[in-house]
Amino acid sequence: QSALTQPASVSGSPGQSITISCTGTSSDIGGYNYVSWYQKYPGKAPKLLIFDISNRPSGVSHRFSGSKSGHTASLTISGLQAEDEADYYCSSYSSSSTRVVFGGGTKLTVL
Amino acid sequence: QVQLQESGPGLVKPSETLSLTCTVSGGSINSYYWSWIRQPPGKGLEWIGFIYYSDSTTYNPSLRSRITTSLDTSKNQFSLNLTSVTAADTAVYYCARISGLSDMDVWGKGTTVTVSS
Repeated sequence: QSALTQPASVSGSPGQSITISCTGTSSDIGGYNYVSWYQKYPGKAPKLLIFDISNRPSGVSHRFSGSKSGHTASLTISGLQAEDEADYYCSSYSSSSTRVVFGGGTKLTVL
Repeated sequence: QVQLQESGPGLVKPSETLSLTCTVSGGSINSYYWSWIRQPPGKGLEWIGFIYYSDSTTYNPSLRSRITTSLDTSKNQFSLNLTSVTAADTAVYYCARISGLSDMDVWGKGTTVTVSS
């Protein structure tokens, strides 16, 4: 069982916006602003999309945005495209002995 | 740009030691934290541990008793040893660079390790 809770799946049509939630505790998401989001295609390495809650690395599309409220972080993908169909993982720094915790992953289907 | 490449045996027998190396190219291994992460078949990502160029380490407590890591600045490599492996250690193993406190901005392509006799 993953430390952070994500929905197993979300779906949307091309052009729409979707949001993936990631819920933790005061030891991780609620206590720190060190939430990251990764995009992962099958058989490929994860790619960093968002770091420190809402920052995008150079080269990441502005269609990806992140936010946090309390113990829950969110990833929003706007203007959904077929190429966005992938698995998405959230991650957070944690004050527990497990310094980095991941969510279980969310499979995004573009209808 | 910085690239990472994992290497090591793809098949390990139960109770033996899994040994992987990550080679860093296009940049120095100094001044960064480096991490190991794995993904068992059909499951999510699991953080294994950090290593810093000063040899400071932090490990996932669920694996701590079986992990050792090392870093070789002369070869720009860092390594993972996981002892007493079982089928539950079968996974794709990734190495990654830590950019901030915990975000991983550069990843290796991953290497599949199967534990089986």
